[in-house]
Parts: sequence; C-alpha cells; structure tokens
Amino acid sequence: GQQVMQIPQYQHVQEGEDFTTYCNSSTTLSNIQWYKQRPGGHPVFLIQLVKSGEVKKQKRLTFQFGEAKKNSSLHITATQTTDVGTYFCAGHRWGGGADGLTFGKGTHLIIQP
Amino acid sequence: GAGVSQSPSNKVTEKGKDVELRCDPISGHTALYWYRQRLGQGLEFLIYFQGNSAPDKSGLPSDRFSAERTGESVSTLTIQRTQQEDSAVYLCASSKRVGDNEQFFGPGTRLTVL
Repeated sequence: GQQVMQIPQYQHVQEGEDFTTYCNSSTTLSNIQWYKQRPGGHPVFLIQLVKSGEVKKQKRLTFQFGEAKKNSSLHITATQTTDVGTYFCAGHRWGGGADGLTFGKGTHLIIQP
Repeated sequence: GAGVSQSPSNKVTEKGKDVELRCDPISGHTALYWYRQRLGQGLEFLIYFQGNSAPDKSGLPSDRFSAERTGESVSTLTIQRTQQEDSAVYLCASSKRVGDNEQFFGPGTRLTVL
C-alpha cells in the first residue's frame, strides 16, 4: 500500500533558527496536505498543494510540492516558540477517496529559547 | 457549534468492557473520518463515511471495532471487549466531501484501558 515517510522524526532548534521537514511518498500523489498539531491538541489544517512544483507561502512557512508529485517539504524561517508542535503531511493518491489519504508519522519540532 | 465535537473527552475503562465514542461533525459535511493516535505517534486511519455509508472498513484494527453513522450527522465508534493496546486518542474529522478537501479535526477522545 501507499506509504508516506517523514523526516526527521524529531528536530531540536534554537529559537530563531530555520526548520525543514520532508515528506516522501512511495506513489505519485494527486495532492498533499500539511497539518500542525500543538502539544495536547488536535491536527489543524495548514495548506494543500496540488500542482507539480507548486510553492506556497504563509508568513514564515514555505511549502513545496515536488515536480514528480511524490515529495514535499515545509520550511519555517526564524522559528518562534509558537511553532512548537508536530507537523504532519498527508498525501492523497490518484483516484483515492478517503482511504487514499495517508498521513506521515510527523516531525516533532522542539524549540529551545 | 462551529467545529467538530467529540464525547467523551476522556474515557477510562477496564479491560474487557465495551466503549462507545461519539463524533458530531460540522453541519453539512458529508464526509466523516475516524483516526487513532497513540502517544507520540502519527495518525492511523480507521474508517471513513460518505454520507451514512462506509465503503471501506479494512482500516479497522480488528472485528472488535465497528462504526456507524446516522442521518449524515453523528457517528459512533464502538470498541468491544477493550484491550490495553486500544489505549490511544481517537480523533474524528469531517470535510465537505470525500476527496481532497481540508479535514477539520475534533478534540479527540482519550481512551485509557486499564
């Protein structure tokens, strides 16, 4: 079945440093979504990428979808303590309904002030 | 309410007992999803509903797990004869339709099986 791998599993950064998490799928995706889960909270939708090579920005967050639509990345510039949490990617395979949505295991971002 | 709600927020039960978890999706959302999240882990997809039907139940971990949805609204996830490995947070999400729409998650039910 479809697998979505995320690396790294954990990332410790100093406040103000940049952070990047990578998502790789074993199959071509129709789109990819990113979610953030704060400690003790539930996942919250951040963005969806659909087009090959697409780049979207939300303030300090930059999301990219690979040309082959099998990988994606989330980059945070100048991290702040409010960025703490787990970032999940979720890939939709072609023709899949809800069962075509596969979440990665997430990257836990830990920020040291 | 404006968001997805789940009840109870916490449930502690003894091994072997049955539990029922409830999800109220956002009004008008036809798609509803159940996930399981063990401590520090990712989201494990369990089942989804398109309207009141669940086309694929293969994600349910065992035949002790079942789910239903009525009136294209409330859904219940039932776990029979609970085991300690069932301890996790059970998250419900809804979206306008099945497919590539944004999923809105509820706060989850934290299940602890003693």
